[in-house]
Amino acid sequence: AQSVAQPEDQVNVAEGNPLTVKCTYSVSGNPYLFWYVQYPNRGLQFLLKYITGDNLVKGSYGFEAEFNKSQTSFHLKKPSALVSDSALYFCAVRDMMTGAGSYQLTFGKGTKLSVIP
Amino acid sequence: GAGVSQSPSNKVTEKGKDVELRCDPISGHTALYWYRQSLGQGLEFLIYFQGNSAPDKSGLPSDRFSAERTGGSVSTLTIQRTQQEDSAVYLCASSLGIYNEKLFFGSGTQLSVL
Repeated sequence: AQSVAQPEDQVNVAEGNPLTVKCTYSVSGNPYLFWYVQYPNRGLQFLLKYITGDNLVKGSYGFEAEFNKSQTSFHLKKPSALVSDSALYFCAVRDMMTGAGSYQLTFGKGTKLSVIP
Repeated sequence: GAGVSQSPSNKVTEKGKDVELRCDPISGHTALYWYRQSLGQGLEFLIYFQGNSAPDKSGLPSDRFSAERTGGSVSTLTIQRTQQEDSAVYLCASSLGIYNEKLFFGSGTQLSVL
């Protein structure tokens, strides 16, 4: 079974400061990892993904995430937060070893990011 | 269309009634997913369709829930004999295929069961 944990329900950060939104995962094989963002009153949008290769993945809006296999983590980061980054962030995982017929993405419960002016 | 379209955007129903939620995916996307988003529960996988393959129904919470996808395009999620615990936002997403996990989500249907 695959699972994702986002240990923080809410993260508050001052505008201009670096931000980190944490994610850990559990899979049987190797993971496909994703971050999605949900802005208020809007649908979920894809931010970035890790499939293979470099552990540091760059995505939309200046976000990046670092894959750490030993810690089974995929934390989302941004060097300088903007007020407009305030949103709900979801981490998701799919196991590359998933059996035939099952390609679902498993999402975490989400972390609400509030960037304070 | 330009994006994933879901209808209705809001649905209020009485306990025990049946409801149908519609999803129109992006043209050319062969994979279609239904998720449920409840406050504090994140996104709960319900069902997945890929082309003509048998759907993955492993996330459907009970036999009151069913879904179909006609002609490899539009999908309908049906909830029979609705219960108050079914109240949630039902999200549909589509992608180019099973090897492309960039999902495009619709705006969802907010279901309220009174």
